[in-house]
Amino acid sequence: SQTIHQWPATLVQPVGSPLSLECTVEGTSNPNLYWYRQAAGRGLQLLFYSVGIGQISSEVPQNLSASRPQDRQFILSSKKLLLSDSGFYLCAASRGNEQFFGPGTRLTVL
Amino acid sequence: RKEVEQDPGPFNVPEGATVAFNCTYSNSASQSFFWYRQDCRKEPKLLMSVYSSGNEDGRFTAQLNRASQYISLLIRDSKLSDSATYLCVVTGSGGSYIPTFGRGTSLIVHP
Repeated sequence: SQTIHQWPATLVQPVGSPLSLECTVEGTSNPNLYWYRQAAGRGLQLLFYSVGIGQISSEVPQNLSASRPQDRQFILSSKKLLLSDSGFYLCAASRGNEQFFGPGTRLTVL
Repeated sequence: RKEVEQDPGPFNVPEGATVAFNCTYSNSASQSFFWYRQDCRKEPKLLMSVYSSGNEDGRFTAQLNRASQYISLLIRDSKLSDSATYLCVVTGSGGSYIPTFGRGTSLIVHP
């Protein structure tokens, strides 16, 4: 079975600082990978997805970017964080239609 | 109209009660359907897939009604530990593998 690792678990960053969140997947090869954000009390918002190394699709315009340097590594970045970037960031993987989520990173931008 | 709609609740029920949630979807070409459970401040976890013939897993039963474009989740003999948000997920419409999540239905089971 696949396992998804995310770190850090929590993060507090000042406005304007950079961001790098990492997600790695074990137990499967060539998965589809996803980054979601969930604001407090809200639903899941799909930010990026990737079907392979170097292939990134963006779902919403924003100051975030994503990269997939290896098959099972997915990175979410920002050069300058905004207050509105606060939220719960979830990485997910799928082969077929079922998705499995990592434990998430709770980001607070102050 | 939202692609996947759920009543946000909360559904507040006593232990032992039976509770049912519905979820409607707008794209009739959707192929796959799931229920996820999300505990407070945790990641969503797959609860069960939903098949055309319906499926049952212990106290949980999921049904799909393609004609009316909704899926349902029935929980029998509710436990305190069932308290969570239940997310409806629809995928596979138009050849896309990108899942669409509902915003979730909150369930609170009280003693």
